[in-house]
Amino acid sequence: DIVLTQAPLSVSVTPGESASISCRSSKSLLSSKGITSLYWYLQKPGKSPQLLIYRMSNLASGVPDRFSGSGSETDFTLKISKVETEDVGVYYCAQFLEYPFTFGSGTKLEIK
Amino acid sequence: EVQLVESGGGLVQPGRSLKLSCAASGFTFSDYNMAWVRQAPKKGLEWVATIIYDGSRTYYRDSVKGRFTISRDNAKSTLYLQMDSLRSEDTATYYCATSSIWGQGTLVTVSS
Repeated sequence: DIVLTQAPLSVSVTPGESASISCRSSKSLLSSKGITSLYWYLQKPGKSPQLLIYRMSNLASGVPDRFSGSGSETDFTLKISKVETEDVGVYYCAQFLEYPFTFGSGTKLEIK
Repeated sequence: EVQLVESGGGLVQPGRSLKLSCAASGFTFSDYNMAWVRQAPKKGLEWVATIIYDGSRTYYRDSVKGRFTISRDNAKSTLYLQMDSLRSEDTATYYCATSSIWGQGTLVTVSS
C-alpha cells in the first residue's frame, strides 16, 4: 500500500500569516498519463471533508486562491497564504493512483 | 444543487448486517466512479470501496473483502454498501463520495 506521511501533526497560525503542510508518499504518484494523483482535503469541525486541490496543483471550484498545491512525484506541499479563522480544521492528503486508495493521517490547523 | 445523501446507518450487533444507501442529485451519477470512505470516532479517513461508473468493476480494502459489497443503480442515481459480518472495528461514520463531492455521512455503530 502507498503510505502518505503528513507533517506537522498540528500547526497554530496567526490570522494573516501563511501555513504550509507537507505530504510525503512512499511511492511516486505520477501516472503513465502524466497525471500526479495527489489530492488535498479540509475537514472543518463537525463537517464532511471538502476538496481543496486535485491532481497536486489544481484549485477546486469555489476554493479561495489563498490555497495552493505543489510538489514532485513523492513530495507535496499545501500552502495557505493569509490564513483566516474559517480555515481551521484537519487537512488530509490522499492518493488515488492505485488501490487501496490511502489518506495521510491529517494535520490540524488552529488559530492563535 | 450537487448533493450526496447517505442513509441506513444505526446501531447493530456484531456479526449482523446493515445496508447503506447514498442518493445522488445535481450531477450525472452514471458518469462517476463512486466510493465509500469511513472515519472511526476521532480518527482519520479510510477508503473502504470503489465501484466504477458503469458498475463493471469493484475494489475493496483488505479488511472488508468478503464482508462488504458495493453496488449501484444508475437508473436511480443511488449507491449502496451491503455490510455483513460486522465487527466492532467497523464502527465509523461512512461517507459516500466522488473525488470532489462528499455526503454528510451516516454513523454505523457495531456493539452488543
